[in-house]
Amino acid sequence: KAGVTQTPRYLIKTRGQQVTLSCSPISGHRSVSWYQQTPGQGLQFLFEYFSETQRNKGNFPGRFSGRQFSNSRSEMNVSTLELGDSALYLCASSLGGVSQETQYFGPGTRLLVL
Amino acid sequence: AQKVTQAQTEISVVEKEDVTLDCVYETRDTTYYLFWYKQPPSGELVFLIRRNSFDEQNEISGRYSWNFQKSTSSFNFTITASQVVDSAVYFCALSGKETSGSRLTFGEGTQLTVNP
Repeated sequence: KAGVTQTPRYLIKTRGQQVTLSCSPISGHRSVSWYQQTPGQGLQFLFEYFSETQRNKGNFPGRFSGRQFSNSRSEMNVSTLELGDSALYLCASSLGGVSQETQYFGPGTRLLVL
Repeated sequence: AQKVTQAQTEISVVEKEDVTLDCVYETRDTTYYLFWYKQPPSGELVFLIRRNSFDEQNEISGRYSWNFQKSTSSFNFTITASQVVDSAVYFCALSGKETSGSRLTFGEGTQLTVNP
Protein backbone atom coordinates (compact mmCIF):
# COMPACT_ATOMS: atom_id res chain seq x y z
CA LYS A 1 0.00 0.00 0.00
CA ALA A 2 1.35 3.41 -0.90
CA GLY A 3 2.09 5.72 2.00
CA VAL A 4 1.05 9.29 2.58
CA THR A 5 2.31 11.58 -0.16
CA GLN A 6 2.82 15.31 0.00
CA THR A 7 3.53 17.81 -2.74
CA PRO A 8 5.55 19.80 -3.26
CA ARG A 9 8.45 18.63 -1.12
CA TYR A 10 10.17 22.02 -1.08
CA LEU A 11 8.87 25.49 -1.59
CA ILE A 12 10.35 28.98 -1.44
CA LYS A 13 8.01 31.95 -1.17
CA THR A 14 8.30 35.60 -0.24
CA ARG A 15 6.47 37.46 2.49
CA GLY A 16 2.93 38.37 1.60
CA GLN A 17 2.45 35.56 -0.90
CA GLN A 18 0.14 32.64 -0.38
CA VAL A 19 0.87 28.94 -0.68
CA THR A 20 -1.09 25.72 -1.12
CA LEU A 21 0.21 22.36 0.03
CA SER A 22 -1.28 19.03 -0.94
CA CYS A 23 -1.61 15.72 0.86
CA SER A 24 -2.83 12.34 -0.40
CA PRO A 25 -3.63 9.91 2.41
CA ILE A 26 -3.14 6.18 2.48
CA SER A 27 -5.83 4.47 0.45
CA GLY A 28 -8.90 3.90 2.60
CA HIS A 29 -7.95 6.48 5.21
CA ARG A 30 -10.56 9.16 5.66
CA SER A 31 -8.93 11.37 8.25
CA VAL A 32 -6.17 13.81 7.39
CA SER A 33 -4.35 15.94 9.95
CA TRP A 34 -1.80 18.68 9.42
CA TYR A 35 1.09 19.62 11.70
CA GLN A 36 3.64 22.39 11.63
CA GLN A 37 7.18 21.69 12.81
CA THR A 38 9.58 24.50 13.68
CA PRO A 39 12.79 24.48 15.74
CA GLY A 40 11.29 26.86 18.27
CA GLN A 41 7.76 25.49 18.70
CA GLY A 42 8.25 21.83 17.85
CA LEU A 43 5.40 19.84 16.36
CA GLN A 44 2.08 21.65 16.56
CA PHE A 45 -1.33 20.51 15.41
CA LEU A 46 -2.96 22.68 12.74
CA PHE A 47 -6.25 20.96 11.90
CA GLU A 48 -7.92 17.69 11.08
CA TYR A 49 -10.37 16.83 8.32
CA PHE A 50 -12.71 13.90 8.13
CA SER A 51 -15.28 13.34 5.38
CA GLU A 52 -14.62 16.79 3.93
CA THR A 53 -15.34 18.50 7.27
CA GLN A 54 -12.91 20.19 9.61
CA ARG A 55 -13.32 18.31 12.83
CA ASN A 56 -10.59 19.74 14.99
CA LYS A 57 -8.49 22.88 14.89
CA GLY A 58 -5.30 23.95 16.61
CA ASN A 59 -4.33 27.39 17.81
CA PHE A 60 -3.27 29.03 14.56
CA PRO A 61 -4.43 32.29 12.96
CA GLY A 62 -7.09 32.36 10.27
CA ARG A 63 -4.39 32.71 7.60
CA PHE A 64 -4.05 28.96 7.88
CA SER A 65 -6.90 27.09 6.26
CA GLY A 66 -7.56 23.74 4.73
CA ARG A 67 -10.02 21.58 2.94
CA GLN A 68 -10.61 17.98 2.09
CA PHE A 69 -12.00 16.53 -1.08
CA SER A 70 -14.36 13.62 -1.59
CA ASN A 71 -11.42 11.30 -2.33
CA SER A 72 -9.95 12.26 1.09
CA ARG A 73 -7.08 14.23 -0.43
CA SER A 74 -6.46 17.40 1.50
CA GLU A 75 -4.94 20.78 0.86
CA MET A 76 -3.81 23.44 3.28
CA ASN A 77 -3.44 27.07 2.39
CA VAL A 78 -1.46 29.80 4.07
CA SER A 79 -2.24 33.33 3.00
CA THR A 80 -0.17 36.46 3.52
CA LEU A 81 2.95 34.53 4.39
CA GLU A 82 5.16 35.69 7.23
CA LEU A 83 8.80 34.82 7.91
CA GLY A 84 7.68 32.77 10.90
CA ASP A 85 5.67 30.46 8.65
CA SER A 86 8.93 28.88 7.50
CA ALA A 87 8.58 25.31 8.69
CA LEU A 88 8.19 21.67 7.82
CA TYR A 89 4.51 20.95 7.23
CA LEU A 90 3.57 17.36 7.89
CA CYS A 91 0.41 15.61 6.89
CA ALA A 92 -0.84 12.46 8.59
CA SER A 93 -3.65 10.09 7.78
CA SER A 94 -5.63 7.53 9.74
CA LEU A 95 -8.69 5.40 9.09
CA GLY A 96 -11.38 7.21 11.03
CA GLY A 97 -9.52 9.88 12.96
CA VAL A 98 -10.19 8.55 16.45
CA SER A 99 -7.69 8.78 19.26
CA GLN A 100 -6.79 5.09 19.36
CA GLU A 101 -5.74 4.95 15.74
CA THR A 102 -2.20 5.31 14.55
CA GLN A 103 -1.49 8.28 12.35
CA TYR A 104 0.88 7.71 9.46
CA PHE A 105 2.90 10.66 8.29
CA GLY A 106 4.03 11.84 4.90
CA PRO A 107 7.53 13.13 4.09
CA GLY A 108 6.49 16.73 4.64
CA THR A 109 6.75 19.96 2.70
CA ARG A 110 9.61 22.27 3.64
CA LEU A 111 8.46 25.87 3.24
CA LEU A 112 10.94 28.72 3.32
CA VAL A 113 9.57 32.24 3.44
CA LEU A 114 12.00 34.99 2.45
CA ALA B 1 -4.49 20.08 29.25
CA GLN B 2 -2.47 17.30 27.73
CA LYS B 3 1.29 17.62 27.87
CA VAL B 4 4.27 15.46 26.93
CA THR B 5 7.75 16.13 28.24
CA GLN B 6 10.97 14.71 26.86
CA ALA B 7 13.58 16.19 29.14
CA GLN B 8 16.55 14.89 27.16
CA THR B 9 17.16 17.27 24.28
CA GLU B 10 20.21 15.46 22.93
CA ILE B 11 21.87 12.15 23.67
CA SER B 12 25.13 10.95 22.19
CA VAL B 13 26.30 7.35 22.54
CA VAL B 14 28.85 5.06 20.99
CA GLU B 15 27.66 2.20 18.84
CA LYS B 16 26.57 -0.93 20.76
CA GLU B 17 25.72 1.04 23.87
CA ASP B 18 22.20 0.78 25.28
CA VAL B 19 20.26 4.03 25.47
CA THR B 20 16.97 5.00 27.12
CA LEU B 21 14.81 7.89 25.97
CA ASP B 22 12.50 9.29 28.62
CA CYS B 23 8.91 10.42 28.15
CA VAL B 24 6.61 11.81 30.83
CA TYR B 25 3.01 12.76 30.08
CA GLU B 26 0.08 14.56 31.65
CA THR B 27 -3.58 14.04 30.83
CA ARG B 28 -6.96 14.14 32.53
CA ASP B 29 -8.26 11.32 30.34
CA THR B 30 -8.68 7.87 31.83
CA THR B 31 -8.36 6.33 28.39
CA TYR B 32 -5.49 7.58 26.29
CA TYR B 33 -2.91 6.40 23.81
CA LEU B 34 0.83 6.83 23.72
CA PHE B 35 3.05 6.71 20.67
CA TRP B 36 6.68 6.83 19.71
CA TYR B 37 7.81 8.14 16.33
CA LYS B 38 11.27 8.33 14.77
CA GLN B 39 12.25 11.24 12.53
CA PRO B 40 15.37 10.65 10.42
CA PRO B 41 17.04 13.59 8.65
CA SER B 42 14.69 13.12 5.68
CA GLY B 43 11.91 14.54 7.84
CA GLU B 44 9.22 11.88 7.70
CA LEU B 45 7.84 10.71 11.04
CA VAL B 46 8.06 6.93 11.21
CA PHE B 47 5.64 5.17 13.56
CA LEU B 48 7.30 2.85 16.07
CA ILE B 49 4.72 1.85 18.66
CA ARG B 50 1.25 2.58 20.06
CA ARG B 51 0.19 1.72 23.61
CA ASN B 52 -3.18 2.24 25.29
CA SER B 53 -3.57 3.31 28.88
CA PHE B 54 -4.97 -0.03 29.98
CA ASP B 55 -2.04 -2.09 28.79
CA GLU B 56 0.97 -1.71 31.05
CA GLN B 57 2.80 -4.70 29.68
CA ASN B 58 6.27 -3.90 28.49
CA GLU B 59 6.89 -4.49 24.83
CA ILE B 60 9.97 -5.67 23.00
CA SER B 61 10.52 -5.52 19.27
CA GLY B 62 13.98 -6.60 18.24
CA ARG B 63 16.44 -4.13 19.75
CA TYR B 64 13.62 -1.81 20.82
CA SER B 65 11.72 -2.05 24.09
CA TRP B 66 9.19 0.16 25.81
CA ASN B 67 8.44 0.52 29.51
CA PHE B 68 5.01 1.99 30.31
CA GLN B 69 4.44 2.93 33.96
CA LYS B 70 1.10 4.51 34.69
CA SER B 71 2.05 5.21 38.31
CA THR B 72 4.77 7.61 37.18
CA SER B 73 3.07 8.69 33.92
CA SER B 74 6.07 7.56 31.95
CA PHE B 75 6.54 5.73 28.67
CA ASN B 76 10.25 5.20 28.18
CA PHE B 77 11.95 3.79 25.12
CA THR B 78 15.15 1.74 25.20
CA ILE B 79 17.37 0.85 22.28
CA THR B 80 19.67 -2.07 23.00
CA ALA B 81 23.02 -2.33 21.24
CA SER B 82 22.51 0.94 19.39
CA GLN B 83 23.58 1.31 15.77
CA VAL B 84 24.53 4.31 13.66
CA VAL B 85 21.24 3.91 11.74
CA ASP B 86 19.37 4.64 14.98
CA SER B 87 20.55 8.25 14.81
CA ALA B 88 17.42 10.36 14.51
CA VAL B 89 15.05 12.54 16.50
CA TYR B 90 12.60 10.52 18.54
CA PHE B 91 9.20 11.87 19.55
CA CYS B 92 6.81 10.67 22.18
CA ALA B 93 3.15 11.61 21.60
CA LEU B 94 -0.22 11.36 23.32
CA SER B 95 -3.82 11.28 22.13
CA GLY B 96 -7.09 11.06 23.99
CA LYS B 97 -10.58 12.43 24.34
CA GLU B 98 -9.30 15.57 26.09
CA THR B 99 -8.29 17.02 22.75
CA SER B 100 -10.76 14.89 20.75
CA GLY B 101 -10.22 12.98 17.56
CA SER B 102 -6.82 11.71 16.64
CA ARG B 103 -4.98 14.93 17.47
CA LEU B 104 -1.51 14.16 18.76
CA THR B 105 0.28 16.14 21.43
CA PHE B 106 4.01 15.75 20.91
CA GLY B 107 6.96 16.09 23.20
CA GLU B 108 9.90 18.26 22.26
CA GLY B 109 11.83 15.35 20.82
CA THR B 110 15.19 13.80 21.70
CA GLN B 111 18.03 13.98 19.19
CA LEU B 112 19.91 10.69 19.39
CA THR B 113 23.34 10.47 17.82
CA VAL B 114 25.04 7.10 17.65
CA ASN B 115 28.73 7.40 16.87
CA PRO B 116 30.70 4.57 15.27
